[in-house]
Amino acid sequence: EDKVVQSPLSLVVHEGDTVTLNCSYEVTNFRSLLWYKQEKKAPTFLFMLTSSGIEKKSGRLSSILDKKELFSILNITATQTGDSAVYLCAPLARETSGSRLTFGEGTQLTVNP
Amino acid sequence: DAGITQSPRHKVTETGTPVTLRCHQTENHRYMYWYRQDPGHGLRLIHYSYGVKDTDKGEVSDGYSVSRSKTEDFLLTLESATSSQTSVYFCAITAGTYSGANVLTFGAGSRLTVL
Repeated sequence: EDKVVQSPLSLVVHEGDTVTLNCSYEVTNFRSLLWYKQEKKAPTFLFMLTSSGIEKKSGRLSSILDKKELFSILNITATQTGDSAVYLCAPLARETSGSRLTFGEGTQLTVNP
Repeated sequence: DAGITQSPRHKVTETGTPVTLRCHQTENHRYMYWYRQDPGHGLRLIHYSYGVKDTDKGEVSDGYSVSRSKTEDFLLTLESATSSQTSVYFCAITAGTYSGANVLTFGAGSRLTVL
């Protein structure tokens, strides 16, 4: 059975802090790993990581994948109150009838002014 | 938005009544999914479809059925709703190749309360 563990489950920081969110996974037929941000609505796509060691960046957010150790991290530097959200990690696996995403429980990030 | 519409957005019903949630897409994507999201569990896959009339079960399919009679619509039915099915339901779509910006895109969600 596929398993995705995110840590910490909850994190409270002050504006300007740097945070690191963790995701470990055990997935059969792994293809890539996706990160989503969820505010009070539907999850929105952040990154897709397919290769180990290649850091993906988007502004203050960056992410890296380690396919040998089966984990990924999401870094957010100089946090802002608008970064407050649940961050979801989702490994993508290949299946006969398509692909399958398995979501972690998420990390609830709260950024206080 | 990516052209996904869920209806109804909010529904309150009583135990034992049937409920149907509708997902409509205008992207002509092949794959459609129904997830539920609950505190402590994250997003869990209920059913998915990989084409018209082609569906398969996800990890929490008990008590749910789906139908896809045309590309743009994917219906989720609770034949006899129970309180354990109180949740937020998300529809999602993808063309299936998962490359570049082509990833799973979610609808706005449907909040279902079963009393």
